[in-house]
Amino acid sequence: DVKVTQSSRYLVKRTGEKVFLECVQDMDHENMFWYRQDPGLGLRLIYFSYDVKMKEKGDIPEGYSVSREKKERFSLILESASTNQTSMYLCASSPGQGWTEAFFGQGTRLTVV
Amino acid sequence: AQSVTQPDIHITVSEGASLELRCNYSYGATPYLFWYVQSPGQGLQLLLKYFSGDTLVQGIKGFEAEFKRSQSSFNLRKPSVHWSDAAEYFCAVGARTGRRALTFGSGTRLQVQP
Repeated sequence: DVKVTQSSRYLVKRTGEKVFLECVQDMDHENMFWYRQDPGLGLRLIYFSYDVKMKEKGDIPEGYSVSREKKERFSLILESASTNQTSMYLCASSPGQGWTEAFFGQGTRLTVV
Repeated sequence: AQSVTQPDIHITVSEGASLELRCNYSYGATPYLFWYVQSPGQGLQLLLKYFSGDTLVQGIKGFEAEFKRSQSSFNLRKPSVHWSDAAEYFCAVGARTGRRALTFGSGTRLQVQP
């Protein structure tokens, strides 16, 4: 089975802190994604990556950055956390050839106080 | 850019009753279409997907969905709901060209009454 693992299920951080959310997939997928999930808004795409060291902005990239130094790992970075970044963050991966499905991690619930 | 509308925020059905969750999309051609389910505190699990061919697709847990091009819809159905189906359901579309990322609807929360 494909496994997408997010390093933390719950995080509490202070306003202004630099926050790293880590995601690892074990199926050699080319594509990786970060979404945030908020009630009534569904999942919104923050950033995605088709390959190592490349990244593309999604629909809501402001206040975030990403890093993909290795194929299996995709990190989301909050440069200076703010309370409006309190949310559920979901990482996903998918194969590069054509379209199949995206496989999701369990999510990280981040609270910024 | 594509978009997805799930008009029902919250639906309550009785156990054993039938279920239909609505999904409408906006896209210039036929997209790839997906339904995902999220149980409380969990990630998303794929229920079913449509890429091409037969417009009625079968998924896991007894769910099915029908793609209707004329209505730009991909509604999810189940003939008899079980209490364990209580969850949040997301419809998503993927473009056939360009950005290889899913666009999700806002979700429908399903509550099942005994």
